[in-house]
Amino acid sequence: GAGVSQSPRYKVAKRGQDVALRCDPISGHVSLFWYQQALGQGPEFLTYFQNEAQLDKSGLPSDRFFAERPEGSVSTLKIQRTQQEDSAVYLCASSWAKNIQYFGAGTRLSVL
Amino acid sequence: RKEVEQDPGPFNVPEGATVAFNCTYSNSASQSFFWYRQDCRKEPKLLMSVYSSGNEDGRFTAQLNRASQYISLLIRDSKLSDSATYLCVVNPQGGSQGNLIFGKGTKLSVKP
Repeated sequence: GAGVSQSPRYKVAKRGQDVALRCDPISGHVSLFWYQQALGQGPEFLTYFQNEAQLDKSGLPSDRFFAERPEGSVSTLKIQRTQQEDSAVYLCASSWAKNIQYFGAGTRLSVL
Repeated sequence: RKEVEQDPGPFNVPEGATVAFNCTYSNSASQSFFWYRQDCRKEPKLLMSVYSSGNEDGRFTAQLNRASQYISLLIRDSKLSDSATYLCVVNPQGGSQGNLIFGKGTKLSVKP
């Protein structure tokens, strides 16, 4: 596809469940970023990959959050034992050069 | 102090009006600056990069003042379709590696 693809678009989880969110970046984009956007806020950085290497995970809020990009293309963000405060939109972005990051439509996670 | 601060608005303006948004950033070493636009329940999309010399794209003009750590966006002849949230964005590191730091966004509503 032409853009960044994320799935699922919507996810409802019961508190304590594990969830996995998928990001398929633009083909050939080396860099991949995950952001979390709470209601009424701007996106906040979670983690960054260059190819398969996770170079920065300083934004992950707890050890319940884990991200991987094993083959340097598709990435998965996993949240274990979800809590209500994890409810947010999770955005994935990819880039090649010149700082331009292209965002996917996001996964809207609701934890009940 | 948040790294990127902007007035959340909302700015309610009539069609044809000129409106200006301002933003300040705290990291004086920041390398790259952008305005992103985000429609309701959609992903952020790049509106324009911001350069020290100032730059214009049609009805949109962006300015950067590094000494004051201040970024602005001017929209002339507002259209109904300009209604959105405008996110001030800073990349502290530059290049394609840097995660983006977003402001909370300024909401613009253009009325007929």
